[in-house]
Amino acid sequence: GQNIDQPTEMTATEGAIVQINCTYQTSGFNGLFWYQQHAGEAPTFLSYNVLDGLEEKGRFSSFLSRSKGYSYLLLKELQMKDSASYLCAVSPYGNNRLAFGKGNQVVVIP
Amino acid sequence: DTGVSQDPRHKITKRGQNVTFRCDPISEHNRLYWYRQTLGQGPEFLTYFQNEAQLEKSRLLSDRFSAERPKGSFSTLEIQRTEQGDSAMYLCASSTVGQNTEAFFGQGTRLTVV
Repeated sequence: GQNIDQPTEMTATEGAIVQINCTYQTSGFNGLFWYQQHAGEAPTFLSYNVLDGLEEKGRFSSFLSRSKGYSYLLLKELQMKDSASYLCAVSPYGNNRLAFGKGNQVVVIP
Repeated sequence: DTGVSQDPRHKITKRGQNVTFRCDPISEHNRLYWYRQTLGQGPEFLTYFQNEAQLEKSRLLSDRFSAERPKGSFSTLEIQRTEQGDSAMYLCASSTVGQNTEAFFGQGTRLTVV
């Protein structure tokens, strides 16, 4: 089975940095994805990690430790539009069929 | 707009009725996935196709659910004899073949069974 665990909600101030953690236990591992989902909208791709280490993409960075079954998404210089749910998903089998966590709701306040 | 379109966006149906949803993936994408998402949860995998072949079905997919992708392009998901527990957002996604390719999601069909 697959178990993806994320905290459920956090509030942060505009301009701040927030870290969203994800731990996973899956029967296989072929990469970890982060998606952003605004209320009522489709999830949109943010990042992909398959090797240990940090991947940086503008204001967003994602880190992976395969030995610890752990990833985090770092959001810098928070903007109001970053208020959304952030979904961690693992691809256990290499066919991009994803096992998602529940998502972490980030609320950005002025 | 990700390029994956789903129809309808919303569907309200009475318990016991059949419903069918359609997904049009990005045209060059071989893989097509169906997920179900309820409030406060992440998407749960239902099934996926590579071209017209249905390669995997989740144990979540009861006998009342069937999906097709007859020509390897659009796909349909049918739910027969709907139950209140089927109320959810049904998301479709597509991707190219490859291990690290992202999946693009449609905006989903929100089903409410009354």
